[in-house]
Amino acid sequence: DAKTTQPPSMDCAEGRAANLPCNHSTISGNEYVYWYRQIHSQGPQYIIHGLKNNETNEMASLIITEDRKSSTLTLPHATLRDTAVYYCIVRVLSNDYKLSFGAGTTVTVRA
Amino acid sequence: EPEVTQTPSHQVTQMGQEVILRCVPISNHLYFYWYRQILGQKVEFLVSFYNNEISEKSEIFDDQFSVERPDGSNFTLKIRSTKLEDSAMYFCASREQGDDGYTFGSGTRLTVV
Repeated sequence: DAKTTQPPSMDCAEGRAANLPCNHSTISGNEYVYWYRQIHSQGPQYIIHGLKNNETNEMASLIITEDRKSSTLTLPHATLRDTAVYYCIVRVLSNDYKLSFGAGTTVTVRA
Repeated sequence: EPEVTQTPSHQVTQMGQEVILRCVPISNHLYFYWYRQILGQKVEFLVSFYNNEISEKSEIFDDQFSVERPDGSNFTLKIRSTKLEDSAMYFCASREQGDDGYTFGSGTRLTVV
């Protein structure tokens, strides 16, 4: 699976959009980009995933660049409850797959 | 919203003892997983389970570990003879199929003393 690079930490103001970058320059054509988050001491939570098109759900938006070498997760209106570690994971889609978690980005939402 | 349920939330055991961590995955899910997270470290894959057998396991998942789905609803992780370094949060997860994301449980904190 392709390696990902994320900033170790970032701050965000409550109510503002939080834009989390992820670099995956070695991604191959059949690899998806997944985002998960882990609120302190809880189990990781699935947020969103995509292959090459932009995706949006009730939690977030995912924009993948045209060359697919990077992506941005956007939390449109960050709340204090969005404070968490956010993981960008790239992997080949298969029926049975494991997730390889890196260190992620620690996002702190401030009032 | 359906949940993955793990019990107990916290278990303290003496070194050398056997422990069983229990999980109830989401009922229509087909793929089941155990991950662990040592305090302050990354979340690590242990094992995946599909169609009543292990489909993949990591180097961590040695002969001390085993998994079972005894009755079609529970999914258990057994550690035969616990070591101090087994102290960690253990997360169970399940997934339906295709490109679905995982649903993780809230974890069991295992403390080996």
